[in-house]
Amino acid sequence: AQKITQTQPGMFVQEKEAVTLDCTYDTSDQSYGLFWYKQPSSGEMIFLIYQGSYDEQNATEGRYSLNFQKARKSANLVISASQLGDSAMYFCAMREQGYGGSQGNLIFGKGTKLSVKP
Amino acid sequence: EAGVTQSPTHLIKTRGQQATLRCSPISGHTSVYWYQQALGLGLQFLLWYDEGEERNRGNFPPRFSGRQFPNYSSELNVNALELEDSALYLCASSPAAGYSNQPQHFGDGTRLSIL
Repeated sequence: AQKITQTQPGMFVQEKEAVTLDCTYDTSDQSYGLFWYKQPSSGEMIFLIYQGSYDEQNATEGRYSLNFQKARKSANLVISASQLGDSAMYFCAMREQGYGGSQGNLIFGKGTKLSVKP
Repeated sequence: EAGVTQSPTHLIKTRGQQATLRCSPISGHTSVYWYQQALGLGLQFLLWYDEGEERNRGNFPPRFSGRQFPNYSSELNVNALELEDSALYLCASSPAAGYSNQPQHFGDGTRLSIL
């Protein structure tokens, strides 16, 4: 069964510094997608970044980058130049293969609560 | 472009009652997913609908059910409500099957409280 592990329940980072949120995954599929979402205290889930299993380069989206190490089955999120508004829960997720090879539902890790200190 | 919309925002029920939650996907999206986020348990996958059909189901009892309408909107029904059903229920949508790199876009959720 597929599984996502986030080992850091909570993290603190000083404003303007970089922070890495860890994520490891377990799957027997060759083709899979990895996602990071941000959930502020208001509850909405905000998509941040995507990495495909066949992508040769690490994904980047503005201040977010994904450190993808396929052999180690890790997909860590790096947030550069942290801002106070980055304080939130961060979830790593993997997409299961659906019917006929299509996209399927997401399997989520338990999340990391990031607190940015001024 | 309107995002995923869910209604109601909050819902208060008592044990044994039935709850209906609604979701409208982003225009052009045919897949709708339902997730439960109970306190301290992270997000658990409930149901996936695509083109009106149930495609996958998470590890939840049969009293959790739903459907998808021809306009791709969806409804989640929870029968015989129990205290542990209190949670934030999130709906997400994505484009038609085959676009595996497309993220799921989430609504703001329905907070269901069971008294």
